[in-house]
Amino acid sequence: EVQLVESGGGLVKPGGSLRLSCAASGFTFSSYSMNWVRQAPGKGLEWVSSISSSSSYIYYADSVKGRFTISRDNAKNSLYLQMNSLRAEDTAVYYCARDGEYSGYDDYWGQGTLVTVSS
Amino acid sequence: AIWMTQSPSLLSASTGDRVTISCRMSQGISSYLAWYQQKPGKAPELLIYAASTLQSGVPSRFSGSGSGTDFTLTISCLQSEDFATYYCQQYYSFPRTFGQGTKVEIK
Repeated sequence: EVQLVESGGGLVKPGGSLRLSCAASGFTFSSYSMNWVRQAPGKGLEWVSSISSSSSYIYYADSVKGRFTISRDNAKNSLYLQMNSLRAEDTAVYYCARDGEYSGYDDYWGQGTLVTVSS
Repeated sequence: AIWMTQSPSLLSASTGDRVTISCRMSQGISSYLAWYQQKPGKAPELLIYAASTLQSGVPSRFSGSGSGTDFTLTISCLQSEDFATYYCQQYYSFPRTFGQGTKVEIK
């Protein structure tokens, strides 16, 4: 069974940093691209970042470029999102999601971790 | 970036109704479109990818159609468990973008 479990969310002050983790199991992690998607309270879904299976290709939304860094450790079956210079508008539930077999869509999602940026 | 217009934003319907949700792109994306269902407090779930391919385990009352710029999600006979919010997503190019969402509520 595919499982994705996010952790690392919490309350942080504006300008602060946080590192999210996503532990994957039930599939060959090193064969799949992975994504972060977020959802602000009461709002829609926003794609944040994607990383290819071997980390060769990395993409970011303009809203986080230069502040967030996506990475992965295939030996640990883990995905990460390092978030720096956090702003109030980064407050959201952050989901880790697996790229589907034919790439691009998200076929499995974690339960999400809440990041709150507030003073 | 590719912009998406999803409509309607709110749909009131009854159990047994046939409902359709539309997603229009600012430029052609071939069939690189997915549909998701999200219930309150839960993560989204994939319903359809490649515009019309049903994800494994998804009931056949869900169907998708379209290509290029205009796409549709149809629920042929609405069930109680289908009251939720639905999102389209293009994965033709980065940045990937989602539609604004359609909340299907009980009439």
